Amino acid sequence: DGGITQSPKYLFRKEGQNVTLSCEQNLNHDAMYWYRQDPGQGLRLIYYSQIVNDFQKGDIAEGYSVSREKKESFPLTVTSAQKNPTAFYLCASSVQGAANEKLFFGSGTQLSVL
Amino acid sequence: AQSVTQLGSHVSVSEGALVLLRCNYSSSVPPYLFWYVQYPNQGLQLLLKYTTGATLVKGINGFEAEFKKSETSFHLTKPSAHMSDAAEYFCAVRPSGGYQKVTFGTGTKLQVIP
Repeated sequence: DGGITQSPKYLFRKEGQNVTLSCEQNLNHDAMYWYRQDPGQGLRLIYYSQIVNDFQKGDIAEGYSVSREKKESFPLTVTSAQKNPTAFYLCASSVQGAANEKLFFGSGTQLSVL
Repeated sequence: AQSVTQLGSHVSVSEGALVLLRCNYSSSVPPYLFWYVQYPNQGLQLLLKYTTGATLVKGINGFEAEFKKSETSFHLTKPSAHMSDAAEYFCAVRPSGGYQKVTFGTGTKLQVIP
């Protein structure tokens, strides 16, 4: 089945540690996104990528980094500079254009600080 | 810049009662509008969308929404609530034309009382 796979489902970060969240899609979508979800705040865009080897900062990029070396993969690194990393992280990919417009989401990674 | 306001972070309805979840948007150009649903510990899935054409759009699971430009609204309704409708619902907007990022509202949690 086509879809987006996020791993791990749960992740714990120690003080000063960088951690990487995985996102893989087999939908052949060009565009991919990372969102952060906090209770009562909706989804906030961290980074997005419209094409391989290119990505742009979203609304809350500080303390995060990404790469897009392959079309299928868009990993997110939460660096030690992110002082409040506890949140639910969602990866998505999309088709754009009126007829097919839709975001496809993975099942998320819950990141907590030890 | 675009934005979305969802009135009511929590809504409770009785099983069989009308569901009404409110969404107002702002956009400097004609918008694309979406409702997504999220079940606990999962990603989001598209319920319905308005891009062009008919302003009353029907989605999955008996939900529908009407785009009202004069009121800048896109409220979600369902005539008769079912227990399985209990979830969090997100309204989202993106400006039409070219690539544009999607902005989400803060979400409304729907509780269905037996």
